Amino acid sequence: GEKVEQHESTLSVREGDSAVINCTYTDTASSYFPWYKQEAGKSLHFVIDIRSNVDRKQSQRLTVLLDKKAKRFSLHITATQPEDSAIYFCAAKTGGYKVVFGSGTRLLVSP
Amino acid sequence: GALVYQYPRRTICKSGTSMRMECQAVGFQATSVAWYRQSPQKTFELIALSTVNSAIKYEQNFTQEKFPISHPNLSFSSMTVLNAYLEDRGLYLCGAREGDDEQYFGPGTRLTVL
Repeated sequence: GEKVEQHESTLSVREGDSAVINCTYTDTASSYFPWYKQEAGKSLHFVIDIRSNVDRKQSQRLTVLLDKKAKRFSLHITATQPEDSAIYFCAAKTGGYKVVFGSGTRLLVSP
Repeated sequence: GALVYQYPRRTICKSGTSMRMECQAVGFQATSVAWYRQSPQKTFELIALSTVNSAIKYEQNFTQEKFPISHPNLSFSSMTVLNAYLEDRGLYLCGAREGDDEQYFGPGTRLTVL
C-alpha cells in the first residue's frame, strides 16, 4: 500500500525566512495530496492541497509543489511568522478513500 | 459550510473498560468516514474506513473485535474502544467526506487510560 515519508522531523527558521517541508510517496496511483497543521494539544487543520493534474498551487504565503515523476511533493511557507509554528503533516490519497499521513514535521519559527 | 463534530472531546477510562466516541457530519453527506488514532509522539494511523454500501475495512493491527464501528446514516458514526489499555491512549480523529471531496476532520477525542 501507499507509504508517505516526511523527511524533516524538525525545522527551525527565523521569523521572515522561508520554510520548506518535503515528502515522498510510493503509490503512483495517488492523486490527492493534502497538508495539515496541528498546533500543540489540538486537532488537525487543513492547510492546503494539490491534485495530480497540476504541479503547483499557491495560496497566499503557502505553495505546494508536486513532482509526479519523482513522487515528491513539498510545502513552501514564505515570510514565516511565529504563529506558523506547529506540526505539519503531509498526506496522500489514492483513488480510494484512504488517506495516508507522513510522520509530521515540527516547524519552529523564532522571533 | 461542512463541519465535523466529535464527542466527547476528552475522556478518561480505567484500564480494561470500554469507551464509545461519536462523530457527526454537518452540512454534507458523509458517504465515507475514516477513524484515525494518533498515539503520543506519533503520526495518524488509520484504524478503519467505513463507506456507505460497503463493509467496514480495518487496517492491519486493528480489528472489529477491539474497535467496533457503526455508520448507520450519512451524518453519524461511532466507534468503541473495547477493553482499553495504556497503548490505546491517544487522540482519535474522525475524518468524513462526501464522495471524492475533501476530507473534513473533527476536533478529536483524546483518550486517557488509567
